[in-house]
Amino acid sequence: DAKTTQPTSMDCAEGRAANLPCNHSTISGNEYVYWYRQIHSQGPQYIIHGLKNNETNEMASLIITEDRKSSTLILPHATLRDTAVYYCIVRAPTGANSKLTFGKGITLSVRP
Amino acid sequence: GAVVSQHPSWVICKSGTSVKIECRSLDFQATTMFWYRQFPKQSLMLMATSNEGSKATYEQGVEKDKFLINHASLTLSTLTVTSAHPEDSSFYICSAGTVVTGYTFGSGTRLTVV
Repeated sequence: DAKTTQPTSMDCAEGRAANLPCNHSTISGNEYVYWYRQIHSQGPQYIIHGLKNNETNEMASLIITEDRKSSTLILPHATLRDTAVYYCIVRAPTGANSKLTFGKGITLSVRP
Repeated sequence: GAVVSQHPSWVICKSGTSVKIECRSLDFQATTMFWYRQFPKQSLMLMATSNEGSKATYEQGVEKDKFLINHASLTLSTLTVTSAHPEDSSFYICSAGTVVTGYTFGSGTRLTVV
């Protein structure tokens, strides 16, 4: 069972920020929040992950609420190439919950 | 960064034959590899966890005798679809990594059984 819930889809204009929400209300203390994306007919691509602090890398920012029950992936300047399915996953570093289990994800469509 | 190579990228086989898919970690040693299957317009479904030097752990509902997994070295895991049938046609994806490095995905193999 996926431990996260995401909207089915969203769109945004090219050049604008895309904010992708994710709920993970049953997250455990040792579980990280991971974000991957999948462009059509390709393997998933790692974007970012975090435990409780906000994280930023060259691709995106991850904002995790203080209670860790939800998070938001931010693509600061979306481009057409960012059109993909984005998966939010919670995962423990070791043990049975260390598997990457994918939910349905959110389809982001970036429009010109 | 960690690179995972998956081969072949696509394969067409006749019903009843077997197909082997390879997953290699190119610049790191992967103690654990995962195999996924994805049907059109659906999410990735975890099939099994492959551990170097030991038997794979299969998810519920996945036939271990049909989907043979071998992880004989720290850089190679193989998935063999035995006696393939049209309903086995799917996109198969592997993932490799460690607890420290995280997990990277291969580019996937599209299997078509005719």
